[in-house]
Order: sequence, then C-alpha cells, then structure tokens
Amino acid sequence: DIQMTQSPSSLSASVGDRVTITCQASQDINNYLHWYQQKPGKAPKLLIHDASNLEPGVPSRFSGSGSGTDFTFTISNLQPEDIATYYCQQSDNLLTFGGGTKVEIK
Amino acid sequence: EVQLLESGGGLVQPGGSLRLSCAASRFTFSTYPMSWVRQAPGKGLEWVSSISGSGDIAYYADPVKGRFTLSRDNSKNRLYLQMNSLRAEDTAIYYCATTWDLHRFDYWGQGTLVTVSS
Repeated sequence: DIQMTQSPSSLSASVGDRVTITCQASQDINNYLHWYQQKPGKAPKLLIHDASNLEPGVPSRFSGSGSGTDFTFTISNLQPEDIATYYCQQSDNLLTFGGGTKVEIK
Repeated sequence: EVQLLESGGGLVQPGGSLRLSCAASRFTFSTYPMSWVRQAPGKGLEWVSSISGSGDIAYYADPVKGRFTLSRDNSKNRLYLQMNSLRAEDTAIYYCATTWDLHRFDYWGQGTLVTVSS
C-alpha cells in the first residue's frame, strides 16, 4: 500500500502570506497526486489534479508542483476564506489520502 | 451542476448492518465511476470503495474488505454501499463522490452520518 505523509499537520499564517504544504509518497506515484480543500462542516472540494492542474473556477493563488514522490501545494497570497483543512490524495495504486493540514489565520 | 444526495445513515449496534444510498442527478451517471469516502469524527479523509461506471469492477480499502459491498443501479442513477459486521471504528460521515477515471473525486455529496454504538 502507498502511504502519504503530509506536513505540517497545522499552520498559522497572516493574510497575504505564502503558505506551503508538502506531501510525500512512499513510492513513485507518477504524478497521480490531487489536492482538496475542506472547510468546517462541509464536503471536500477538489482544487488541483495530477500534481499541478488547477480545477476550473479555483483561484490562481492556489498552485501545485512536484513529481515522483515529493509534491508541494502553495497558497501564494493567503485570504481569510482559505481557512480550511487541505488534503493530498494519490491515485497511482488504489486511493490514499494524506493526513491533512489545518490552515489558520494568525 | 452535479447533485449527489446520500441517505441511509443512522445509529446501528456493533455487528449490525446498514445500507447507504446515493442519488445522483445532472450528469450521465452510467458513464461515471463512483466512490465512497468516509471521515471519522475529528479525523481525516479515508477512501472506502470505488466502482466502475458499468458496475463490473469494484475496489475496496483493506479495513472494509469482506464486510462492505459497493453496487450501483444505472437505471435508477443510484449508488449503494451495503455495510455488514459494523464496528465502532466504522463510525464516520460517509460521502458519495464522482471519481474521474477512478483517480480523483471531483464532485461530492454532503455526507450521511453512520454511528456504530451499543
């Protein structure tokens, strides 16, 4: 089974900051890496697929990069509405989520 | 806009059974792979099971293999999850989701809560 290690588990940043979350797979996942946003009490929302492809309608301050086993998710200009928990997910071999990163405003 | 509406959750005793249902609309259901993803209270997301558009192949996470069965009725635009031998650790919100190419969850329902407790 492929394990996904996401870090940090939580972070606090100021409005306008650049925020970075990393996700490491236990083996090469061929860029089958996707990122989700989950706001409190709501269902998750797909933001980025296949490591770096932004879903339609998602603000351009969100971006993803990486390949192989190491991936990065970035919010370039943190906004109050970005408060949420973010998850990575691999789909190279079945489907596995990372543990999540809770983003708060400082 | 894709709509997914889960139902069937509730309180069940350990060892009991429950069948979840997901009613889908506003997309071509029969061509779309579907999945269930769950979230235990205060915890992260966990993939449970996925099924192809035709329903001829299904995949399961290890914790539910042999206890849960995923099926679909394309004539009714419905997805089902039969859950048997339920355990306390199955307590979670269960989300129904469309699953693009069996890779990513692109649309989600609002979830249904399953509580396994005596």
